[in-house]
Amino acid sequence: EAEVAQSPRYKITEKSQAVAFWCDPISGHATLYWYRQILGQGPELLVQFQDESVVDDSQLPKDRFSAERLKGVDSTLKIQPAELGDSAMYLCASSGPRDGYNEQFFGPGTRLTVL
Amino acid sequence: QQQVKQSPQSLIVQKGGISIINCAYENTAFDYFPWYQQFPGKGPALLIAIRPDVSEKKEGRFTISFNKSAKQFSLHIMDSQPGDSATYFCAARSNWGGKLIFGQGTELSVKP
Repeated sequence: EAEVAQSPRYKITEKSQAVAFWCDPISGHATLYWYRQILGQGPELLVQFQDESVVDDSQLPKDRFSAERLKGVDSTLKIQPAELGDSAMYLCASSGPRDGYNEQFFGPGTRLTVL
Repeated sequence: QQQVKQSPQSLIVQKGGISIINCAYENTAFDYFPWYQQFPGKGPALLIAIRPDVSEKKEGRFTISFNKSAKQFSLHIMDSQPGDSATYFCAARSNWGGKLIFGQGTELSVKP
């Protein structure tokens, strides 16, 4: 069964360091999402891609976060510099063809701890 | 208003009982309402979803009831099992952009 892949699964870093997360969506899925989930809360969208284009990054802290999906397939989310408040689960999701009603499928997430 | 309010925050049910989780929203532009199940350390997995032109959808032991006029929807888990113990999230999607707005989550514990 096709799945969204994410790596690493766990990341521990010190504040002010740079971190990067990688996501490989389900093959053929044009839309890719990065969500942040703080412990005990629901996921919140950081950025949404349609193919290689950003369609929503309104909640992305652009002074320290960046995201790219250069070839419209896999994606990287970067934080530089990391802050203590960035400790969270970072989830990637993808959805299928462009009719807008396809379900979002989530990867296993990357658990980030900033010390 | 881009919010989805979910209750209760936690729920304890005996094996074989019915688990009920409720969600409410304000934005009438939402057009799709999924429920996700999440186990510790895992990503959310889609459980069941409904569109606002339908009042109820059932898949196995899981049923969504949808009240468009009240802007409320709920998840019913019949014959709850210990394996159902997880955190459940309701969500709503705007009819523009596909962004999901999640509720705060309900931690369900089913006692044997």
